Amino acid sequence: NAGVTQTPKFRILKIGQSMTLQCTQDMNHNYMYWYRQDPGMGLKLIYYSVGAGITDKGEVPNGYNVSRSTTEDFPLRLELAAPSQTSVYFCASSYIQDADTQYFGPGTRLTVL
Amino acid sequence: SQKIEQNSEALNIQEGKTATLTCNYTNYSPAYLQWYRQDPGRGPVFLLLIRENEKEKRKERLKVTFDTTLKQSLFHITASQPADSATYLCALGTGGFKTIFGAGTRLFVKA
Repeated sequence: NAGVTQTPKFRILKIGQSMTLQCTQDMNHNYMYWYRQDPGMGLKLIYYSVGAGITDKGEVPNGYNVSRSTTEDFPLRLELAAPSQTSVYFCASSYIQDADTQYFGPGTRLTVL
Repeated sequence: SQKIEQNSEALNIQEGKTATLTCNYTNYSPAYLQWYRQDPGRGPVFLLLIRENEKEKRKERLKVTFDTTLKQSLFHITASQPADSATYLCALGTGGFKTIFGAGTRLFVKA
């Protein structure tokens, strides 16, 4: 099992550009999450999904969109990138909703200039 | 306001000693608490979970305590090794999808 994979590892965007961060898991987990991690701060939940076709907002959803067309994939879309979106983005998945291990991907480091 | 606090200063200890990391929280009633390890440039990796009705949990050299009266969890690594050097995150589970992560404490274990 590859676990949770994310692409790209690094990306530099100009203000106003758009991009999609890819996330795939091969553990057949229903639950998937997108977090951002800023220096000195805890992980903040952006969006989550409880299964294919179902997504919902987390704590910091503004400026982002997600979709979940399959169990395996959960891409995160940034529209009109802003410097405030410079961060490290982690995708995670879990088997059950509550009190369960979250498996994290390796992260995407995004810089918006 | 709700807060989860981990010591932002790095913890430096000598190999073989016990490392103790602290996680304090306010204005939460967590159903469980988790500890994760994060190495530079990598995603967090789950270590231990302890529920609100448990006082202590152990796994090999790791021990976690959970005091809901003090609103505190302690994470211990006994017989620490240089390979234990990493950032350790605590995460509160309040039910559903709301997992609140602390900012983490960096641990350096010197040989």
